[in-house]
Amino acid sequence: AQSVTQLDSHVSVSEGTPVLLRCNYSSSYSPSLFWYVQHPNKGLQLLLKYTSAATLVKGINGFEAEFKKSETSFHLTKPSAHMSDAAEYFCVVSDPGDYKLSFGAGTTVTVRA
Amino acid sequence: DVKVTQSSRYLVKRTGEKVFLECVQDMDHENMFWYRQDPGLGLRLIYFSYDVKMKEKGDIPEGYSVSREKKERFSLILESASTNQTSMYLCASRPRDLSGNTIYFGEGSWLTVV
Repeated sequence: AQSVTQLDSHVSVSEGTPVLLRCNYSSSYSPSLFWYVQHPNKGLQLLLKYTSAATLVKGINGFEAEFKKSETSFHLTKPSAHMSDAAEYFCVVSDPGDYKLSFGAGTTVTVRA
Repeated sequence: DVKVTQSSRYLVKRTGEKVFLECVQDMDHENMFWYRQDPGLGLRLIYFSYDVKMKEKGDIPEGYSVSREKKERFSLILESASTNQTSMYLCASRPRDLSGNTIYFGEGSWLTVV
């Protein structure tokens, strides 16, 4: 069974500065990993996913994430935060052949003007 | 564009009422899910369906049932709503080949039980 830990429940950054959201996972297999974003009163939207190809994954809206197997991490970054990045972010793990996804508890991002 | 549609965005129901939450996807996905999202508890799986008329319990099925009569439609049913079922409900769908495939979410249904 897999599990996910998002190391920060809340991150506050200034507009134009880098954003780092940390995610560690545990899995017995070679998992697929996803980052989703949820804006207020909305569903979850896929930002990016890792599926055993390149370890550096680029997503939408300037986000990217690096898969590090040795550290069992999948941290999400963006070089320059925008006000529209204020939202909740979820790290998600999926084991091969398992319908059950494991969601992290979420990280709320606040962007200061 | 991929679409998962939850027809009811905001509902207010009385304790004891029967509640139906409907979800439709247009991607011909085999797998459909109902999650519940609560502050501090994240997303929790209520039920999962891997084919028409097939279902499996998730982590918190008590007080809920589901129906999948057609591939594109997955309904969540609260037989007798209670105040502790006040929550945001998210429907999702995913293709049969599970590994690496994206799960697509609806916009959510906010249910308040009074």
